[in-house]
Amino acid sequence: GAVVSQHPSWVICKSGTSVKIECRSLDFQATTMFWYRQFPKQSLMLMATSNEGSKATYEQGVEKDKFLINHASLTLSTLTVTSAHPEDSSFYICSARDGGTQETQYFGPGTRLLVL
Amino acid sequence: GQNIDQPTEMTATEGAIVQINCTYQTSGFNGLFWYQQHAGEAPTFLSYNVLDGLEEKGRFSSFLSRSKGYSYLLLKELQMKDSASYLCASMDSNYQLIWGAGTKLIIKP
Repeated sequence: GAVVSQHPSWVICKSGTSVKIECRSLDFQATTMFWYRQFPKQSLMLMATSNEGSKATYEQGVEKDKFLINHASLTLSTLTVTSAHPEDSSFYICSARDGGTQETQYFGPGTRLLVL
Repeated sequence: GQNIDQPTEMTATEGAIVQINCTYQTSGFNGLFWYQQHAGEAPTFLSYNVLDGLEEKGRFSSFLSRSKGYSYLLLKELQMKDSASYLCASMDSNYQLIWGAGTKLIIKP
């Protein structure tokens, strides 16, 4: 099946620093990528939808100036958590949708962020 | 509004069969997905139904009734490694996934 990679798999940072997370589709072109956040024992929460070459669409309550998303190519999207705070500590997961179909989303392995 | 309902937790015995139900209400419908998520890991794709009926894939089967807004995931010959959360998600008219809260499945020996 389709493969999506995510880097880094985990990161620990100090409060106030910025963290960049990369999401890559390895064997298909992803016209659309999604960024989710998941707190412990909770379901996935969609943060934003990004389409290649255009601005991301953020869900209500997600600060676009804090969570910067760039989808510069058909295989790469990045999420930058700017000025991270302890409450941003979470499991961040990206998913990608194959440009050839509108259906299945394939998930990256996730990035666990801990802000001290 | 959009809503996905599935049980919070289920318990089953190794070797048995379990059915996890999901009801959905979304703006438009472009298919029903089931994902498996082990603790601390990202979800993995299990199945996709867009037409009514049963789709069988090894030990896992998924059923859809569009008229009833209902789906179920059937797991046969349960193994301990099947202990996980199972997420139901409906794809709406904008091809966005609307997620259920997940069903935590506990398998006992």
